[in-house]
Amino acid sequence: DAGITQSPRHKVTETGTPVTLRCHQTENHRYMYWYRQDPGHGLRLIHYSYGVKDTDKGEVSDGYSVSRSKTEDFLLTLESATSSQTSVYFCAIKDNQETQYFGPGTRLLVL
Amino acid sequence: SQQGEEDPQALSIQEGENATMNCSYKTSINNLQWYRQNSGRGLVHLILIRSNEREKHSGRLRVTLDTSKKSSSLLITASRAADTASYFCATVLGTGGFKTIFGAGTRLFVKA
Repeated sequence: DAGITQSPRHKVTETGTPVTLRCHQTENHRYMYWYRQDPGHGLRLIHYSYGVKDTDKGEVSDGYSVSRSKTEDFLLTLESATSSQTSVYFCAIKDNQETQYFGPGTRLLVL
Repeated sequence: SQQGEEDPQALSIQEGENATMNCSYKTSINNLQWYRQNSGRGLVHLILIRSNEREKHSGRLRVTLDTSKKSSSLLITASRAADTASYFCATVLGTGGFKTIFGAGTRLFVKA
């Protein structure tokens, strides 16, 4: 696997609480992505980053924010978790050949 | 609706048979990629085809791209039980290639 990790791997939280997911890479790639995966929808892009402090929205960004203060870390924050944000979250990095490498995923359950 | 949509949604074949999956998309692309996902795991890149290419091969994989029809196909020849997985097409939009849009996937089951 490419040098990409996610933490935590599993999380159970309650509606209304803040949640932060972390993606860490050791590959020094410029582009990083956060996706969510839900049955019947495949992967949907939440936010992406094209450099330190450079981020942009994806197709399902409402309710999520991101930060990238270092090349290796890309954080996804749910400011006030809702049940609709129960999902599996994947982080990915993109190399210079356009290939994306995915982390192992974080399973989030919002009760 | 999804930029990339795979067809069929599910496919069940016998070991040794060929498996063909199709992907249609709506807007102009920079390149199109295919990924595989085993249950409970992250996606793994299989192959990339650029918008100016029509066909690419990688081992038992063959990918075609028809930009006039905005469609691509993935052929897995001589399938094996280990090929059982979900397969996703991903379209990379525009010249910047910042955004990659994934389809909902085709679930392939190869029976031994």
